[in-house]
This record gives sequence, structure tokens and C-alpha cells, in this order.
Amino acid sequence: AQSVTQLDSQVPVFEEAPVELRCNYSSSVSVYLFWYVQYPNQGLQLLLKYLSGSTLVKGINGFEAEFNKSQTSFHLRKPSVHISDTAEYFCAAQSGGYNKLIFGAGTRLAVHP
Amino acid sequence: DTGVSQDPRHKITKRGQNVTFRCDPISEHNRLYWYRQTLGQGPEFLTYFQNEAQLEKSRLLSDRFSAERPKGSFSTLEIQRTEQGDSAMYLCASSLAGGNTGELFFGEGSRLTVL
Repeated sequence: AQSVTQLDSQVPVFEEAPVELRCNYSSSVSVYLFWYVQYPNQGLQLLLKYLSGSTLVKGINGFEAEFNKSQTSFHLRKPSVHISDTAEYFCAAQSGGYNKLIFGAGTRLAVHP
Repeated sequence: DTGVSQDPRHKITKRGQNVTFRCDPISEHNRLYWYRQTLGQGPEFLTYFQNEAQLEKSRLLSDRFSAERPKGSFSTLEIQRTEQGDSAMYLCASSLAGGNTGELFFGEGSRLTVL
């Protein structure tokens, strides 16, 4: 079955600390992979995407992710988080030929002062 | 603002009533998607339109749900005889056809509470 698994439902972290949000995908989905962020009371916004090429992808707000085909992973990282990064983060994979996305359950990142 | 807009943002209804949500996509986008998001879960795909044609429906979309996009612009999602299990955030997204850039542009969602 097609699936995207986010291994942590919540990640608490102190401001200016590094963070990694983990995502694994099943090999039955395509390797078009995405991270979206959802701030409170806002719609989902694209953080970054991997379609092909370099396995290290840089996105907005200082986030980056690394595609690892052998481990079927696409973990999201930021070297130093800010309070404003507090949000829900969703990993997604494209399924089918028309941009249909399958989402993971989400990881709530809580940045504390 | 030229993003995806959804209306209403919040709807509270009693079990058994019908509700309708509207989505206005980004004007040049010909693909439109509906997703449902429940607490603690990621968005789940419901249905997809390319222009006015509904090309895929999820098994999550029971017979009580119907979606339309009559002129290939705005879309409506109607839920008939609502049940408490229908309580969720209903998200609309749009994108351009062609290529596989995969980026969906989401609205802020319509939150449904069924009492």
C-alpha cells in the first residue's frame, strides 16, 4: 500500500537548537517528495520538494531535506530553530500522474524559549 | 489576494442536515483537489478535478458526499445527512496541469462541526 510515515507526532525543542523531523515513504509511491508546513489557522504551505537531481534539497525559512533512496527516507532538518517555526509539518509523496499527494500524519514542532 | 479561498471557514450543523462548502482556486489553475483533515491526522485525498471533469474519487467519499466543478472554475463539496464522523477540516487545493512539479496551493480550509 502507498504510505508516508512520520515517525514522531511531536518534537519539542529549544530555540536555536537543531531539529530533524523524520519521514519514511513506501517504495510503492513515486519519489516526488514534499514537506508542507501548517501554521495555526493557516493553510498548508510548501516548504520544499524533491523531484530529481541533488539529494539535498533546500527550502524556505532555512529548512533542508535529504532524499535517501536506500532508506526510503526524506528527513527535514534545520540547524537552528526559532520560536516562529512552531507549526505542524507534513511530509507528502506524489501518487499518480496529476499531483495527487499522500500525506503523513504530521509532526508538531514546538519551539520553546 | 489571489490564493485559494474557501467559504465558509467554519460551519456548525446538526446531525442530519446538509452542508455545502465552496472553493475558489487560483484563477489559472485547472486542477482542483478536495482533502479532509481530522485532528491529529494528515490531509486525506477525497477527489480531484481537471477543469470540470471529476477524474478520481476516494473510497472515503461516500454516497452522501458530492463534489462539482461546473464551469471548471470554483468547486462545491456537499455533504448530505451529516453525521458526527463528518466533523473535520475540509481543504481545497489547486495546481496547474502539465509537468509533475507537485506543488499544491491550499486554502485555509472549512471546518465542519456536526453536533
